[in-house]
Amino acid sequence: KNEVEQSPQNLTAQEGEFITINCSYSVGISALHWLQQHPGGGIVSLFMLSSGKKKHGRLIATINIQEKHSSLHITASHPRDSAVYICAVRSLTSYNTDKLIFGTGTRLQVFP
Amino acid sequence: DGGITQSPKYLFRKEGQNVTLSCEQNLNHDAMYWYRQDPGQGLRLIYYSQIVNDFQKGDIAEGYSVSREKKESFPLTVTSAQKNPTAFYLCASSLQGWGYTFGSGTRLTVV
Repeated sequence: KNEVEQSPQNLTAQEGEFITINCSYSVGISALHWLQQHPGGGIVSLFMLSSGKKKHGRLIATINIQEKHSSLHITASHPRDSAVYICAVRSLTSYNTDKLIFGTGTRLQVFP
Repeated sequence: DGGITQSPKYLFRKEGQNVTLSCEQNLNHDAMYWYRQDPGQGLRLIYYSQIVNDFQKGDIAEGYSVSREKKESFPLTVTSAQKNPTAFYLCASSLQGWGYTFGSGTRLTVV
């Protein structure tokens, strides 16, 4: 079983819909990252969380440390949001490094 | 603008040849990483370096080698000992506790 699990694996939506992507992890963590990977392959860091909630534009990320769960929400989705969204965690056993453990990603397609 | 530059974007290699992937950053980050991505799998750590002239093996280091002679540069060599080198390779850097920056990746194909 992977230490970081994401759901769903694939997601399709109509433009304007509210999107939720979930991430569950089984290890103790010091931080959780949400990343966006576009078809060309490059990855952009969206959020780094250690508690609570963060918002940037139409994107909202939340984390519940006790339940070992995080969600990424996209409000008013748009076709340009189509990408693979990846959850990654920095485990407490990473010691003094920023090594991450990655989920397998959620592929989102938003249709006009 | 600060960032990470990976080159080349696409690379073809004949079986039995070594090939070196370039990664350069101008972010003044101490730590740099190489990850491999295969279809349907999460990124896996090949090597990482937290300081110049020092690097550590990740989870899948066999068949790869790295060097860190300068803070800005962390090249990855895929050797002929790597049995299945066809993959997408991503370089990243971090300033501890302040998040990650990723490169745009190199897609390596063995022909």
